[in-house]
Amino acid sequence: AQSVTQLGSHVSVSEGALVLLRCNYSSSVPPYLFWYVQYPNQGLQLLLKYTSAATLVKGINGFEAEFKKSETSFHLTKPSAHMSDAAEYFCAVTRRLRRNTPLVFGKGTRLSVIA
Amino acid sequence: DGGITQSPKYLFRKEGQNVTLSCEQNLNHDAMYWYRQDPGQGLRLIYYSQIVNDFQKGDIAEGYSVSREKKESFPLTVTSAQKNPTAFYLCASSSQTFPAEAFFGQGTRLTVV
Repeated sequence: AQSVTQLGSHVSVSEGALVLLRCNYSSSVPPYLFWYVQYPNQGLQLLLKYTSAATLVKGINGFEAEFKKSETSFHLTKPSAHMSDAAEYFCAVTRRLRRNTPLVFGKGTRLSVIA
Repeated sequence: DGGITQSPKYLFRKEGQNVTLSCEQNLNHDAMYWYRQDPGQGLRLIYYSQIVNDFQKGDIAEGYSVSREKKESFPLTVTSAQKNPTAFYLCASSSQTFPAEAFFGQGTRLTVV
């Protein structure tokens, strides 16, 4: 079975500092991996996805993530945090070989940005 | 604009009553999903449907029911058998392209009193 583990339920950074949100996956087959962002009382919005085309994936709002097979990781980074980045972030995984397989989500990491 | 519409955004019900949450999409997606979100628990899959007139249970299907009579619609009924129904419910859909990310609605917050 596939799963993702997000390390740290809450991360706090200063405005302008590096953002690093950690995600490790477990999968018996090569996975597809996703990062989503959720603002309060809203749905989820896709930030980026890994499809094996490139290990470093760039997404919206200046975020990027690097797929590291040896570490089974897909950590999300942003060089300089902005106040508007404060939200909850979810890592998700799905099986590579089957269409329309539901995403399996981590428990989320809440990012706070301090002025 | 194409998207997923969930209604209502907020819903209050008395304990013991069934309630139906609406989810409609105009993205022409084949697959639709229902997730439940509780604080600190992430998103947990309730039911999903890959095609009209077919659906499968997810990880926490007990106390819920769904139907998929039309491609655009995937309503979720929270029955009185659901022991703790107060939560934020998210509907999503995905296309047949591969890999297909899920597109989400704005959610329905259900409070049972």
